[in-house]
Formats: sequence, structure tokens, C-alpha cells
Amino acid sequence: GAGVSQSPSNKVTEKGKDVELRCDPISGHTALYWYRQSLGQGLEFLIYFQGNSAPDKSGLPSDRFSAERTGGSVSTLTIQRTQQEDSAVYLCASSITELYGYTFGSGTRLTVV
Amino acid sequence: AQRVTQPEKLLSVFKGAPVELKCNYSYSGSPELFWYVQYSRQRLQLLLRHISRESIKGFTADLNKGETSFHLKKPFAQEEDSAMYYCALSGQTQGGSEKLVFGKGTKLTVNP
Repeated sequence: GAGVSQSPSNKVTEKGKDVELRCDPISGHTALYWYRQSLGQGLEFLIYFQGNSAPDKSGLPSDRFSAERTGGSVSTLTIQRTQQEDSAVYLCASSITELYGYTFGSGTRLTVV
Repeated sequence: AQRVTQPEKLLSVFKGAPVELKCNYSYSGSPELFWYVQYSRQRLQLLLRHISRESIKGFTADLNKGETSFHLKKPFAQEEDSAMYYCALSGQTQGGSEKLVFGKGTKLTVNP
């Protein structure tokens, strides 16, 4: 597609439920990143996929968070047993190489009630 | 560890006034620095990269390795410059890969 597509754009879920967030990167972009944007906290790195290499999961805040990227394209971020502190905007970005900058999606606003 | 500091959460200027958004970084290697901008109800987008030495929408940023700074400047602010600005540094994660580390952002408001 023309840009990075994320779905859903908004998600309200009950505490304790699992959620899945989807990211469809720009075709041909081998690198895919997930960030979390919280008010006053900036952007927090979560996970990074590059081609067929093992993902860098060093930013995931707990084992409730996981992500996969199928076929080197679409990625899904899963949060299990959601907590209120998980409420944030989850951003996906893709790039050919980071020196050219990232292209961000419009994000998924997650609210845990 | 790499770190990006944007000391001002909020910055307010009048239209036509000069504006400077501060960014300081901490990184032991050779830094690659970026400014990203997020306008109201729009997605985060790249504004400029230090490696390109470019001027975008009248904004420039110079990397000062001695002061470890990458301040964003514009001589005459416009109302449409009102947005959230993030400074970012390319650095290595604990996992060893390269990725962008972002500051917490500065919200710029340009008043008429």
C-alpha cells in the first residue's frame, strides 16, 4: 500500500482480556518496528523485525507482550491479560533502512477499562 | 546507553518570532539524529535528518558534537508549525540492533 496501515484505530477492552493489534507495512520495507506512545512519555521502543532475522524483543515490557511477523510482511502485536497501564497508542513503523527514517502508521489507541 | 533529552515539554511563541526546540543526546558512538513532527490528528512523520543537512519547511538543525546537541531552529515561526516535535537518535538496543530512541517531545504552539 501507499503507507503503513494499522488496525483497529481504536480498541477498548476490559482488564484481563487479550488484544491483537495489526500492522501492514509498506511493501518492500524489510524493517518493522513497534513503539508505544504514552502521554508525557514519548515513544517507547517495543520490538524490531528485520527481514528473516530473529526479532529484537528487548523493549517488550513484560512477557504478556508478544509479536510476530508473518511472511516478512504483516505483523501482529498481542497483549495478554491486559492491564490499565497498557493503555496507550501503539505505533508501527517500517523502513528500508533507518538512515532514511521510518514511516509510521496512524496507530492503535488502546484503552483498558 | 543512548538517551535523548528534550528539556521543554511546552514551547509557545508568536507568529513571526524565531523558534528553537532543544535536543541533547547521550551516545558513545557516532550519532545519527532526526527530528520527527506530529501535527494534530496526523501521524508521526519525519521532518529532517542531520545526515542530509537539509532545510524542511524552513527548519534546520545542526549537529553539535561538542555540546551533544541537535537543536531545531526556524527564523520565523508560522501558525501551521504548531505541533508535537520529537528528536530521535539512532542507536543500538540491548538486543544489539539499530533502532531510533526518541525524546519525550516538545509541544510547540505558535500564537497569531
